[in-house]
Amino acid sequence: NAGVTQTPKFQVLKTGQSMTLQCAQDMNHEYMSWYRQDPGMGLRLIHYSVGAGITDQGEVPNGYNVSRSTTEDFPLRLLSAAPSQTSVYFCASSREAGNQPQHFGDGTRLSIL
Amino acid sequence: RKEVEQDPGPFNVPEGATVAFNCTYSNSASQSFFWYRQDCRKEPKLLMSVYSSGNEDGRFTAQLNRASQYISLLIRDSKLSDSATYLCVVNRLNYGGSQGNLIFGKGTKLSVKP
Repeated sequence: NAGVTQTPKFQVLKTGQSMTLQCAQDMNHEYMSWYRQDPGMGLRLIHYSVGAGITDQGEVPNGYNVSRSTTEDFPLRLLSAAPSQTSVYFCASSREAGNQPQHFGDGTRLSIL
Repeated sequence: RKEVEQDPGPFNVPEGATVAFNCTYSNSASQSFFWYRQDCRKEPKLLMSVYSSGNEDGRFTAQLNRASQYISLLIRDSKLSDSATYLCVVNRLNYGGSQGNLIFGKGTKLSVKP
């Protein structure tokens, strides 16, 4: 079972570059979300989606865009990378609403120089 | 009060010890509660859901105290493999009062020593 798949696992960017972090799930989950995890800060919600075509902002959405054209995929775009976006990014999904236990991908470690 | 608050630890215990973690949450209307486990440089994984009546899964017992707004996790007979960070998770309510996204505590680090 693939579950939640994130790519790439590691990435180094220069300030100002853009990139897309990919997330795909094969569990037919309606709810998907993106978190970032920084030392001492815990997991913080960036954006989430309750179904295809529907997205919304979380706690820390600035500098990031998302789209949900299919149930399976939920890419996260960094528009113009900044050093403050250096972090570990996790994608997660759950069957329905966001108050259900979520399954996580194994993360993308992103460094912005 | 912070939305979800945990003692960061670390808790350093010998094998075989019993260890308890507590977590407090701010919104009395929250209805979903979980404990996750996160190993170093890995993704969080669901350890157990927390039910109103309390629940047990092997060596792990979770309890919910709605009146005091806290959740606890008890680990009995600690194993070396229990070393990890334990995250307390509570759902946040949407503006209209419906059950919304999950809020993760910052975690409590447990280190089990031989």
